[in-house]
Amino acid sequence: KAGVTQTPRYLIKTRGQQVTLSCSPISGHRSVSWYQQTPGQGLQFLFEYFSETQRNKGNFPGRFSGRQFSNSRSEMNVSTLELGDSALYLCASSLDTGQGPETQYFGPGTRLLVL
Amino acid sequence: GNSVTQMEGPVTLSEEAFLTINCTYTATGYPSLFWYVQYPGEGLQLLLKATKADDKGSNKGFEATYRKETTSFHLEKGSVQVSDSAVYFCALSAPAPNSGAGSYQLTFGKGTKLSVIP
Repeated sequence: KAGVTQTPRYLIKTRGQQVTLSCSPISGHRSVSWYQQTPGQGLQFLFEYFSETQRNKGNFPGRFSGRQFSNSRSEMNVSTLELGDSALYLCASSLDTGQGPETQYFGPGTRLLVL
Repeated sequence: GNSVTQMEGPVTLSEEAFLTINCTYTATGYPSLFWYVQYPGEGLQLLLKATKADDKGSNKGFEATYRKETTSFHLEKGSVQVSDSAVYFCALSAPAPNSGAGSYQLTFGKGTKLSVIP
C-alpha cells in the first residue's frame, strides 16, 4: 500500500506570495493532519480534517488554511507569505475508526523557503 | 494542556553502545504514546507505540515501556548502529481540546539528535 505522498517536495517563494501544498493520504485513511516543523519551534500542529470538515485547529494565524476533498486528499494554503513561514510542512494520515487515538503516518514533507 | 519533555541532546555514541533517550509527558486521561524517527531530509517514521499503561512497544531493537506511575516512555536500544543516526521524537496522542468529537492531536517533544560513530 502506498504511503502518504506530498507535493511539491520543495518550494521557493517570495514574501507576500501565496502557496498551496498537497497531500494524498494512505488509501482508506480518512483523517489528515498538517504540521509545521522549524528548528526553533519544533513540530507544531496546524489543523486536522475528517470527512471534508476541519475538526481541529492549532494556534496559527488565519493566513493558514486548508481543505479536504471527498477522496480524503487535502491541501493547505498559506497566503501573504512571511519569512517566518519557511519550514518543513508535514502531512499525516490515520485510519480513524473512532476507537480512540490511532497512529498517524507521515509523508516526506514539503520544504518551503520564503525569500 | 498536554506536553512532552525529552532530552534534547545531541547524543553521540560509539557503535554497539547502549542508548537511552528519556521522555516524560503530561496529559489528561489516557494518551497513546509514540516514538517517531526522522532521517535527514525525510518525514517522520513511526518507530514504536504503546496504547496503555505497562505496554511495551518494540521495533528494530528499540523498546519503550508506557509507565503511568512515572508518566514516562523512555526509548532504549541495547546496541546502536551507525544507521540509527537520526532525530528521535517522543509524542503523545490525546483528545484535542475544544475540537470535534473523535479528534486526537499529536503533541511532540523537541526531538533528540543521535549520532553514532563507528
